Amino acid sequence: DQQVKQNSPSLSVQEGRISILNCDYTNSMFDYFLWYKKYPAEGPTFLISISSIKDKNEDGRFTVFLNKSAKHLSLHIVPSQPGDSAVYFCAASSISSNTGKLIFGQGTTLQVKP
Amino acid sequence: GAGVSQTPSNKVTEKGKYVELRCDPISGHTALYWYRQSLGQGPEFLIYFQGTGAADDSGLPNDRFFAVRPEGSVSTLKIQRTERGDSAVYLCASSSRRDTGTQYFGPGTRLTVL
Repeated sequence: DQQVKQNSPSLSVQEGRISILNCDYTNSMFDYFLWYKKYPAEGPTFLISISSIKDKNEDGRFTVFLNKSAKHLSLHIVPSQPGDSAVYFCAASSISSNTGKLIFGQGTTLQVKP
Repeated sequence: GAGVSQTPSNKVTEKGKYVELRCDPISGHTALYWYRQSLGQGPEFLIYFQGTGAADDSGLPNDRFFAVRPEGSVSTLKIQRTERGDSAVYLCASSSRRDTGTQYFGPGTRLTVL
Protein backbone atom coordinates (compact mmCIF):
# COMPACT_ATOMS: atom_id res chain seq x y z
CA ASP A 1 0.00 0.00 0.00
CA GLN A 2 1.72 3.12 -1.29
CA GLN A 3 0.83 5.90 1.15
CA VAL A 4 2.74 8.56 -0.80
CA LYS A 5 2.58 8.58 -4.57
CA GLN A 6 4.37 10.52 -7.25
CA ASN A 7 2.54 9.53 -10.39
CA SER A 8 4.88 11.17 -12.88
CA PRO A 9 8.15 9.25 -13.19
CA SER A 10 9.72 12.03 -15.24
CA LEU A 11 9.31 15.66 -16.25
CA SER A 12 11.16 17.73 -18.84
CA VAL A 13 11.05 21.54 -18.91
CA GLN A 14 12.90 24.33 -20.64
CA GLU A 15 15.36 26.47 -18.70
CA GLY A 16 13.66 29.55 -17.28
CA ARG A 17 10.19 28.00 -17.25
CA ILE A 18 8.26 26.67 -14.26
CA SER A 19 8.64 23.08 -13.06
CA ILE A 20 5.69 21.60 -11.18
CA LEU A 21 6.15 18.32 -9.38
CA ASN A 22 3.15 16.63 -7.81
CA CYS A 23 2.60 14.27 -4.92
CA ASP A 24 -0.49 12.59 -3.44
CA TYR A 25 -0.91 10.91 -0.08
CA THR A 26 -3.55 8.74 1.50
CA ASN A 27 -2.88 8.82 5.24
CA SER A 28 -4.76 11.64 6.96
CA MET A 29 -2.44 11.33 9.98
CA PHE A 30 0.43 12.89 8.03
CA ASP A 31 1.09 16.40 9.33
CA TYR A 32 4.50 17.31 7.93
CA PHE A 33 5.67 17.13 4.34
CA LEU A 34 9.09 17.53 2.77
CA TRP A 35 10.72 17.62 -0.63
CA TYR A 36 14.18 16.21 -1.23
CA LYS A 37 16.43 16.42 -4.27
CA LYS A 38 18.78 13.59 -5.15
CA TYR A 39 21.73 13.53 -7.52
CA PRO A 40 23.24 10.19 -8.63
CA ALA A 41 25.52 8.57 -6.04
CA GLU A 42 24.54 11.12 -3.38
CA GLY A 43 22.09 11.04 -0.52
CA PRO A 44 18.83 13.00 -0.66
CA THR A 45 19.26 16.73 0.03
CA PHE A 46 16.54 18.56 1.95
CA LEU A 47 14.86 21.28 -0.11
CA ILE A 48 11.76 22.59 1.59
CA SER A 49 9.06 21.49 3.99
CA ILE A 50 5.54 22.41 5.03
CA SER A 51 3.46 21.77 8.10
CA SER A 52 -0.18 20.77 7.74
CA ILE A 53 -1.24 24.01 9.44
CA LYS A 54 -0.06 25.92 6.36
CA ASP A 55 -1.03 25.74 2.72
CA LYS A 56 2.05 27.38 1.23
CA ASN A 57 5.73 27.74 2.02
CA GLU A 58 8.24 29.60 -0.10
CA ASP A 59 12.04 29.58 -0.14
CA GLY A 60 13.68 31.42 -3.00
CA ARG A 61 12.83 29.70 -6.28
CA PHE A 62 11.04 26.85 -4.48
CA THR A 63 7.43 26.93 -3.31
CA VAL A 64 5.48 24.05 -1.84
CA PHE A 65 1.68 24.05 -1.88
CA LEU A 66 -0.43 21.80 0.32
CA ASN A 67 -4.09 20.97 -0.34
CA LYS A 68 -5.21 18.94 2.66
CA SER A 69 -8.72 18.28 1.44
CA ALA A 70 -7.33 16.74 -1.75
CA LYS A 71 -4.38 15.14 0.07
CA HIS A 72 -2.12 16.67 -2.54
CA LEU A 73 1.06 18.69 -2.50
CA SER A 74 3.15 20.20 -5.22
CA LEU A 75 6.59 21.72 -5.61
CA HIS A 76 7.02 24.69 -7.92
CA ILE A 77 10.46 25.70 -9.16
CA VAL A 78 10.62 29.11 -10.82
CA PRO A 79 12.68 29.77 -12.85
CA SER A 80 14.01 26.30 -13.57
CA GLN A 81 17.77 25.95 -14.08
CA PRO A 82 19.82 23.12 -15.62
CA GLY A 83 21.36 22.47 -12.19
CA ASP A 84 17.88 21.57 -10.93
CA SER A 85 18.01 18.38 -13.01
CA ALA A 86 17.77 15.58 -10.45
CA VAL A 87 15.34 13.11 -8.90
CA TYR A 88 12.82 14.76 -6.58
CA PHE A 89 11.18 12.88 -3.73
CA CYS A 90 8.27 13.99 -1.66
CA ALA A 91 8.02 12.59 1.84
CA ALA A 92 5.46 12.68 4.62
CA SER A 93 5.54 12.08 8.34
CA SER A 94 3.32 12.16 11.37
CA ILE A 95 5.13 14.32 13.91
CA SER A 96 2.43 13.66 16.46
CA SER A 97 3.20 9.92 16.35
CA ASN A 98 6.65 10.61 17.82
CA THR A 99 8.56 8.39 15.41
CA GLY A 100 9.24 11.00 12.76
CA LYS A 101 9.82 8.29 10.17
CA LEU A 102 9.47 9.56 6.63
CA ILE A 103 7.34 7.83 4.04
CA PHE A 104 8.66 8.58 0.56
CA GLY A 105 7.13 8.64 -2.88
CA GLN A 106 8.81 6.85 -5.78
CA GLY A 107 10.45 9.99 -7.10
CA THR A 108 10.17 12.16 -10.22
CA THR A 109 13.16 12.71 -12.48
CA LEU A 110 13.31 16.34 -13.56
CA GLN A 111 15.29 17.33 -16.62
CA VAL A 112 15.80 21.04 -17.28
CA LYS A 113 16.98 21.66 -20.82
CA PRO A 114 19.23 24.65 -21.57
CA GLY B 1 29.75 21.96 9.71
CA ALA B 2 30.14 18.30 8.88
CA GLY B 3 27.14 16.45 7.56
CA VAL B 4 26.10 12.85 8.03
CA SER B 5 28.84 10.45 7.00
CA GLN B 6 28.55 6.78 6.13
CA THR B 7 31.16 4.09 5.65
CA PRO B 8 31.93 2.24 3.53
CA SER B 9 30.57 3.98 0.46
CA ASN B 10 30.44 0.63 -1.34
CA LYS B 11 30.35 -2.90 -0.02
CA VAL B 12 30.41 -6.07 -2.12
CA THR B 13 29.87 -9.32 -0.29
CA GLU B 14 28.88 -12.88 -0.97
CA LYS B 15 25.55 -14.45 -0.15
CA GLY B 16 25.51 -15.73 3.40
CA LYS B 17 28.15 -13.34 4.74
CA TYR B 18 27.79 -10.82 7.57
CA VAL B 19 28.12 -7.07 6.97
CA GLU B 20 28.24 -3.95 9.10
CA LEU B 21 27.41 -0.48 7.83
CA ARG B 22 28.36 2.59 9.85
CA CYS B 23 26.68 5.95 10.22
CA ASP B 24 28.11 9.07 11.88
CA PRO B 25 25.31 11.63 12.37
CA ILE B 26 25.55 15.38 12.52
CA SER B 27 27.08 16.37 15.84
CA GLY B 28 24.43 17.02 18.47
CA HIS B 29 21.61 15.34 16.57
CA THR B 30 19.74 13.06 18.93
CA ALA B 31 17.58 11.27 16.39
CA LEU B 32 19.05 8.84 13.86
CA TYR B 33 17.27 6.92 11.09
CA TRP B 34 18.17 4.12 8.72
CA TYR B 35 16.48 3.74 5.34
CA ARG B 36 16.96 1.40 2.41
CA GLN B 37 16.57 2.46 -1.20
CA SER B 38 16.15 -0.01 -4.03
CA LEU B 39 16.55 0.92 -7.67
CA GLY B 40 13.72 3.10 -8.95
CA GLN B 41 12.10 3.45 -5.54
CA GLY B 42 12.04 6.01 -2.77
CA PRO B 43 13.85 5.33 0.50
CA GLU B 44 12.06 2.92 2.85
CA PHE B 45 12.22 3.31 6.61
CA LEU B 46 14.06 0.66 8.61
CA ILE B 47 14.68 1.88 12.16
CA TYR B 48 14.71 5.04 14.29
CA PHE B 49 16.89 5.80 17.32
CA GLN B 50 16.24 8.51 19.87
CA GLY B 51 19.45 8.64 21.82
CA THR B 52 20.75 5.12 22.45
CA GLY B 53 17.46 3.28 22.21
CA ALA B 54 15.60 2.03 19.17
CA ALA B 55 12.30 3.90 19.40
CA ASP B 56 10.80 2.34 16.28
CA ASP B 57 12.19 -0.74 14.49
CA SER B 58 9.01 -1.56 12.61
CA GLY B 59 10.72 -1.25 9.23
CA LEU B 60 13.35 -3.94 9.75
CA PRO B 61 12.41 -6.65 7.23
CA ASN B 62 13.36 -9.66 9.36
CA ASP B 63 15.58 -10.80 12.23
CA ARG B 64 18.69 -10.86 10.04
CA PHE B 65 18.76 -7.07 10.37
CA PHE B 66 19.88 -5.39 13.57
CA ALA B 67 21.10 -1.92 14.46
CA VAL B 68 22.81 -0.41 17.48
CA ARG B 69 23.70 3.03 18.73
CA PRO B 70 25.49 2.32 22.03
CA GLU B 71 26.65 5.83 22.91
CA GLY B 72 23.90 7.85 21.27
CA SER B 73 26.05 9.01 18.38
CA VAL B 74 27.49 6.56 15.82
CA SER B 75 25.18 3.78 14.68
CA THR B 76 25.92 0.44 13.04
CA LEU B 77 23.47 -1.49 10.89
CA LYS B 78 24.25 -5.20 10.94
CA ILE B 79 22.99 -7.72 8.42
CA GLN B 80 23.49 -11.43 9.00
CA ARG B 81 23.40 -14.18 6.36
CA THR B 82 23.07 -11.68 3.55
CA GLU B 83 20.81 -12.49 0.60
CA ARG B 84 20.87 -11.14 -2.94
CA GLY B 85 17.62 -9.31 -2.18
CA ASP B 86 19.46 -7.23 0.43
CA SER B 87 21.31 -5.43 -2.35
CA ALA B 88 20.35 -1.75 -2.13
CA VAL B 89 21.62 1.64 -1.02
CA TYR B 90 21.42 1.99 2.75
CA LEU B 91 20.86 5.57 3.85
CA CYS B 92 21.31 7.11 7.26
CA ALA B 93 19.71 10.38 8.38
CA SER B 94 19.74 12.46 11.53
CA SER B 95 17.66 15.26 12.98
CA SER B 96 17.95 17.66 15.86
CA ARG B 97 15.73 17.95 18.92
CA ARG B 98 14.81 21.49 17.87
CA ASP B 99 13.67 20.50 14.38
CA THR B 100 12.53 16.93 14.66
CA GLY B 101 10.70 17.01 11.34
CA THR B 102 13.64 17.62 9.03
CA GLN B 103 16.07 14.80 8.44
CA TYR B 104 19.49 15.24 6.87
CA PHE B 105 20.83 12.33 4.91
CA GLY B 106 24.27 10.88 4.40
CA PRO B 107 25.58 9.75 1.00
CA GLY B 108 24.59 6.14 1.59
CA THR B 109 26.32 2.77 1.41
CA ARG B 110 25.74 0.77 -1.74
CA LEU B 111 25.54 -2.90 -0.74
CA THR B 112 25.87 -5.57 -3.41
CA VAL B 113 25.33 -9.18 -2.47
CA LEU B 114 26.65 -11.60 -5.08
